[in-house]
Amino acid sequence: QVTLKESGPALVKPTQTLTLTCTFSGFSLSTTLMRVGWIRQPPGKALEWLARIDWDDDKFYITSLKTRLTISKDTSKNQVVLTMTNMDPVDTATYYCARIIGYSGHYYFDYWGQGTLVTVSS
Amino acid sequence: SYVLTQPPSVSVAPGQTARITCGGNNIGSKNVYWYQQKPGQAPVLVVYDDSDRPSGIPERFSGSNSGNTATLTISRVEAEDEADYYCQVWDSSTDHLVFGTGTKVTVL
Repeated sequence: QVTLKESGPALVKPTQTLTLTCTFSGFSLSTTLMRVGWIRQPPGKALEWLARIDWDDDKFYITSLKTRLTISKDTSKNQVVLTMTNMDPVDTATYYCARIIGYSGHYYFDYWGQGTLVTVSS
Repeated sequence: SYVLTQPPSVSVAPGQTARITCGGNNIGSKNVYWYQQKPGQAPVLVVYDDSDRPSGIPERFSGSNSGNTATLTISRVEAEDEADYYCQVWDSSTDHLVFGTGTKVTVL
């Protein structure tokens, strides 16, 4: 059974760095073709993919936020960590992590965490 | 960057058919995925690879993709189908996963 769960602060101040952890079970990120991604959704708005990390430690970021994002994994702990620097109120959103199925042009999210709401406010 | 455009809203009576479009440049050459999201919940995959359904998803959900438009069709709509729906593709030129703008389906 695949599960994912996000954890991190509910409130951060502007200019601070956000660190979110995705703890998962039911699969291993050391297995070939396994991938995990982060997606966010501002209140009342659409989903936005942020970053992805692959079993071989390849990392990919949305171009618009590339300079602020870092994704990493700890395979032994079954965790993926996302950091986002210089937080701004417009970054207020629910942040999800999800497992990605990806091969030969087929890339999609098959299992999602419940999401964690992060509010940026002083 | 690759853009996917969806109608903001679709309204449908129970028992009727809802069609949700997802427009993108030559989207027919890509694999399209559809997610259903109910208030306060995480998205759930309802269609993958244009027209396949994950296990547990009712046969009422179907998909098609051609030219510049992909379509999610919900037949015999039920009250429980009221939700937001998002299309998604992988943009090979940037290695980005891209979501559509989202469509709110209201069951009258």
